[in-house]
Amino acid sequence: EVQLVESGGGLVQPGGSLRLSCAASGFTFSSYWMHWVRQVPGKGLVWVSRFNDDGSSINYADSVKGRFTISRDNAKNTVNLQMNSLRVEDTGVYYCVREGRQWLVNYYYYYMDVWGKGTTVTVSS
Amino acid sequence: DIQMTQSPSSLSASVGDRVTITCRASQSINIYLNWYQQKPGKAPNLLIYAASTLQGGVPSRFSGSGSGTDFTLTITSLQPEDFATYYCQQSYNTPRTFGQGTKVEIK
Repeated sequence: EVQLVESGGGLVQPGGSLRLSCAASGFTFSSYWMHWVRQVPGKGLVWVSRFNDDGSSINYADSVKGRFTISRDNAKNTVNLQMNSLRVEDTGVYYCVREGRQWLVNYYYYYMDVWGKGTTVTVSS
Repeated sequence: DIQMTQSPSSLSASVGDRVTITCRASQSINIYLNWYQQKPGKAPNLLIYAASTLQGGVPSRFSGSGSGTDFTLTITSLQPEDFATYYCQQSYNTPRTFGQGTKVEIK
């Protein structure tokens, strides 16, 4: 079964740190780009960070740049998100997401086709 | 960043109704447009990618259309399990961006 399982969420004070982990199974992890997406309960989806398949490209949302670090270990089928200098506005459910791609009419098209159940991060004093 | 704007933000409909949700991109994104369904307390679920390609296992009452900047998700004959929030998302470039969501409620 294709699966993503997040862990590491919790309650932390502003300025603190957390490390989220995502364990992948059931697919060839090294072939996929992996993302983290955040959602405040009752609100929309916000993209946080992305790590491409071969490790050559990493991107962050402007709101987390310089504070969050994404990493992946293709040997262990894991992707992590180190979150430092946490702010109240970082609160939310963090989803680990696989991005698939399909070749259609001369181009690759990308889509988030596997999502974990999410892990909750609460930043509060 | 590419801004994605959905309309309406919410709608009320009855079982059996035809429902249409629109999504507009702030610049042309070709057909790099995906649609997701999210139910309360659950992760989003991919419905449609590349604007009109149905993900495996998704019922055929869901369809997508559009290209460039304007896109549509249509649900023909709304079923009880379709009451949820729907999001569009562009995969034309990074950062990936989502619409604000459209909540489909029971009338």
